[in-house]
Amino acid sequence: NAGVTQTPKFQVLKTGQSMTLQCAQDMNHEYMSWYRQDPGMGLRLIHYSVGAGITDQGEVPNGYNVSRSTTEDFPLRLLSAAPSQTSVYFCASSYPNSDTEAFFGQGTRLTVV
Amino acid sequence: DQQVKQNSPSLSVQEGRISILNCDYTNSMFDYFLWYKKYPAEGPTFLISISSIKDKNEDGRFTVFLNKSAKHLSLHIVPSQPGDSAVYFCAASLIQGAQKLVFGQGTRLTINP
Repeated sequence: NAGVTQTPKFQVLKTGQSMTLQCAQDMNHEYMSWYRQDPGMGLRLIHYSVGAGITDQGEVPNGYNVSRSTTEDFPLRLLSAAPSQTSVYFCASSYPNSDTEAFFGQGTRLTVV
Repeated sequence: DQQVKQNSPSLSVQEGRISILNCDYTNSMFDYFLWYKKYPAEGPTFLISISSIKDKNEDGRFTVFLNKSAKHLSLHIVPSQPGDSAVYFCAASLIQGAQKLVFGQGTRLTINP
């Protein structure tokens, strides 16, 4: 059972480059989310989705785009990378029930130079 | 505006003793609370949760207590084991489902033999 799979695990970008962080889940979860974790801070919500075709912004959405064309996949796009986007990114998925937990991927460590 | 706070960045406990991790929140509308455990280079893994209608939830060595009047929750681990050494995050949810979690900054727990 793969759960939530994120690719790549590590990435170095130059300022201004674009890239897509991939996230896929095989648990048929309707809800998916992207978080970033910075030193000394907890995870902060970037974008989330409650189903295919439905996305919304979280706490720190600037500089990131998302789309959800299938239940399984929820890619996160950086349009023009900035050093402030150096972080560890986590994707999560969950069932649309109350009192349920989110399952997290292993994370993508991104460095923007 | 940090809605969920873990004021102790680190905690050191002797093996076999009780570990108590604390978490405070400011938004009285939070409906559901979760604790996650995180090892280096891995994603957070769910540990235990509690609904706002309860004041205690127990699962094996782990117990979570919720004091709504004080807006405070705590995680008790007893007895503590070396494998419990990790960073612990508390998280809270305003709405049904776990797609929009608000995290604390984390507490690094070290269990000493």
